[in-house]
Amino acid sequence: DVKVTQSSRYLVKRTGEKVFLECVQDMDHENMFWYRQDPGLGLRLIYFSYDVKMKEKGDIPEGYSVSREKKERFSLILESASTNQTSMYLCASSARLTGNTEAFFGQGTRLTVV
Amino acid sequence: GDSVTQMEGPVTLSEEAFLTINCTYTATGYPSLFWYVQYPGEGLQLLLKATKADDKGSNKGFEATYRKETTSFHLEKGSVQVSDSAVYFCALGTASKLTFGTGTRLQVTL
Repeated sequence: DVKVTQSSRYLVKRTGEKVFLECVQDMDHENMFWYRQDPGLGLRLIYFSYDVKMKEKGDIPEGYSVSREKKERFSLILESASTNQTSMYLCASSARLTGNTEAFFGQGTRLTVV
Repeated sequence: GDSVTQMEGPVTLSEEAFLTINCTYTATGYPSLFWYVQYPGEGLQLLLKATKADDKGSNKGFEATYRKETTSFHLEKGSVQVSDSAVYFCALGTASKLTFGTGTRLQVTL
């Protein structure tokens, strides 16, 4: 079974903390993505990466950064967590960046910032 | 820019009822279209896809047809089951990314 694994299902962090969300895929995929999911807003792309050490901003990158040091791992970093970053975060990967390629998702990390 | 519009939920149906979830899109070029499903407590998984106009995607009794003339990709199932209760996302894929709709929650009752 192909797998995208996110390190935590639930996280509670304090305002101002630096937060790391980790994602690992075992499919040797080139491309990895971070989305946040909010009720009524669907999924919004934060950042994506098409190669090791490469990253591109998505639609809502403010307040976030990413790191991809190894092909299988893609980390999302909240530099200084704020309450408006309370959300469900979903990591995904795909073999190619073209539009007809299936994306595989992790189970999500529900982050609460208090 | 690219966008996807889905019907508002929740949709509540009795078991064995007919399901339609509407999806329309705006895109430049020739996107691929997808339906993803999210079961409770899980991430998204691909349900079906269509890569060009008039293609029909199908899986697990669900189907959707890529209609370029109406820019639509409506999801249908002839007889829903309780196990189909989930959130359904329509998405379009272009050269560099997937754009998702807001999701439609389906609740199927006995």
